[in-house]
Amino acid sequence: AQTVTQSQPEMSVQEAETVTLSCTYDTSESDYYLFWYKQPPSRQMILVIRQEAYKQQNATENRFSVNFQKAAKSFSLKISDSQLGDAAMYFCAYRSEAGANSKLTFGKGITLSVRP
Amino acid sequence: DTAVSQTPKYLVTQMGNDKSIKCEQNLGHDTMYWYKQDSKKFLKIMFSYNNKELIINETVPNRFSPKSPDKAHLNLHINSLELGDSAVYFCASSQALKGNTIYFGEGSWLTVV
Repeated sequence: AQTVTQSQPEMSVQEAETVTLSCTYDTSESDYYLFWYKQPPSRQMILVIRQEAYKQQNATENRFSVNFQKAAKSFSLKISDSQLGDAAMYFCAYRSEAGANSKLTFGKGITLSVRP
Repeated sequence: DTAVSQTPKYLVTQMGNDKSIKCEQNLGHDTMYWYKQDSKKFLKIMFSYNNKELIINETVPNRFSPKSPDKAHLNLHINSLELGDSAVYFCASSQALKGNTIYFGEGSWLTVV
């Protein structure tokens, strides 16, 4: 079974600076998808970024980018120019290749605080 | 329009009661899910349905029964509620064979007293 590990429970960053959130996973599959979701205090789950394992290029979405190291099974999220609105819980998640029985497996999450 | 909508958003009920949470998606997806987020904020899948057929049924008490009347709806019925059922329940949907991003509803906060 796949597992996702987020070893840092909390991180803090100064507004306008850059922070990196770590995630590792364990799988025997070669094709899969990785995601970062943001959960603000409202508890809504918001997709931040996704990465297809077959793509070597790291995904980027505005201030958010990932460092995907397939061999190391590492998938970190970098937030540049941090804003107060980035304060939230961030979950790393894994999903097997497309299929009806595919599901998201989540890490335990990391709480990010942003200092003004 | 909200893509994945759940009702109710908040629910406070007494132990022993039976309650339902409804979910609808207007994304045209063929797969829907229920996830539970516990007090430690850990998210775990409970069920998934593909084209109204139960696909994933994790180790969940029999008191939890999902029902999918059509591809756009997946409801969750809970019998004989217990204190430990207090959690946030998320409905979600995706397209099984392509896309692969799973979209979540806003969550339903269930408190059992």
